[in-house]
Amino acid sequence: DAKTTQPTSMDCAEGRAANLPCNHSTISGNEYVYWYRQIHSQGPQYIIHGLKNNETNEMASLIITEDRKSSTLILPHATLRDTAVYYCIVRVAKNNPGGKLIFGQGTELSVKP
Amino acid sequence: GAVVSQHPSWVICKSGTSVKIECRSLDFQATTMFWYRQFPKQSLMLMATSNEGSKATYEQGVEKDKFLINHASLTLSTLTVTSAHPEDSSFYICSASESYEQYFGPGTRLTVT
Repeated sequence: DAKTTQPTSMDCAEGRAANLPCNHSTISGNEYVYWYRQIHSQGPQYIIHGLKNNETNEMASLIITEDRKSSTLILPHATLRDTAVYYCIVRVAKNNPGGKLIFGQGTELSVKP
Repeated sequence: GAVVSQHPSWVICKSGTSVKIECRSLDFQATTMFWYRQFPKQSLMLMATSNEGSKATYEQGVEKDKFLINHASLTLSTLTVTSAHPEDSSFYICSASESYEQYFGPGTRLTVT
């Protein structure tokens, strides 16, 4: 699986959009970009994933560059409860049952009042 | 849907004893379950992959005789830490795979005294 690079930490003001970048320059054509987050002392929570098109759900939006070498997770209106470590993971093809998730160091997002 | 539970949520044991942690998929059948370990201020580290009815596959550097994994049914996997030592104190997290998605449990905090 391709390696990802994320900033170690970021701050965001409550109510503003949080934009979390991720570089995955060695991504392969059949690899998806997944985002998870982990609130302190809890298990990771799935946020969103995509292949090449931008994706949006009730939690966030995922913007993937045309060359697929980087992506940005957008939390449109960050709240204090969004304070967590956010992990960007590149994973083998979607139809690979039970494919491993390899976690990097992630980005520690602090949402401040 | 897609809820994964772990039991216990925390445990304290004496050095030299064994501890069993359970991971259950509550509303789906999981052919594959994963076990992770997380030390303070660090990312999740994959320990092993277990498939129902077969032996677990351990990641490099993980002692299979120390961390016994049993995946006896499609809804239950157990991790037994044998002869625990203080350095085994950690946050243990399982995930269960339904088709191509993984769902994480809330984690088990193990403290070995």
